[in-house]
Amino acid sequence: QKEVEQNSGPLSVPEGAIASLNCTYSDRGSQSFFWYRQYSGKSPELIMSIYSNGDKEDGRFTAQLNKASQYVSLLIRDSQPSDSATYLCAVSGNNRLAFGKGNQVVVIP
Amino acid sequence: GAGVSQSPRYKVAKRGQDVALRCDPISGHVSLFWYQQALGQGPEFLTYFQNEAQLDKSGLPSDRFFAERPEGSVSTLKIQRTQQEDSAVYLCASSFGPNEKLFFGSGTQLSVL
Repeated sequence: QKEVEQNSGPLSVPEGAIASLNCTYSDRGSQSFFWYRQYSGKSPELIMSIYSNGDKEDGRFTAQLNKASQYVSLLIRDSQPSDSATYLCAVSGNNRLAFGKGNQVVVIP
Repeated sequence: GAGVSQSPRYKVAKRGQDVALRCDPISGHVSLFWYQQALGQGPEFLTYFQNEAQLDKSGLPSDRFFAERPEGSVSTLKIQRTQQEDSAVYLCASSFGPNEKLFFGSGTQLSVL
């Protein structure tokens, strides 16, 4: 079992809709959780961090963490064409961040 | 510097050649990481430095891969006798601590022909 799983395929959403991304992780001791956005041909950039159970909102982004279920999610409200990218879930553990393979989001104007 | 700087941006090597990839982290960041990212995949951990000490090299795929950070700042990832399977983007990242948010450089895209 991979440390961080992001299993859903490419997500197409109409402009203005909500995009929902999910991530599960295997290490119960993980304490820090991050979402990175990666545009094609570019390096990952941090968009959200979350450390405790519940929701954390930052602009149009909301991260949700449930440590009991080992589950992290990202909601993107009012999706814009500029949100079209791959979103990487990252989880801390063993003195490193482990990344999922990413979910591609395509926002259709 | 203002961000993590990596060079070269692109590197084409013939199979069997040695390559060296450079990373200059954000000033003050004690933790430095190297990741390998294949097309369509997430970054995979290679190695971790805290200052000049290489604390974890468990992700290095073979003994052809070697990394150093002799003065606790700039780091070099060296790949000896490159193989086609080494073709990937090599990302360097730095942070204040090992479980803190990472700041990535622009990466080096290595193509082995």
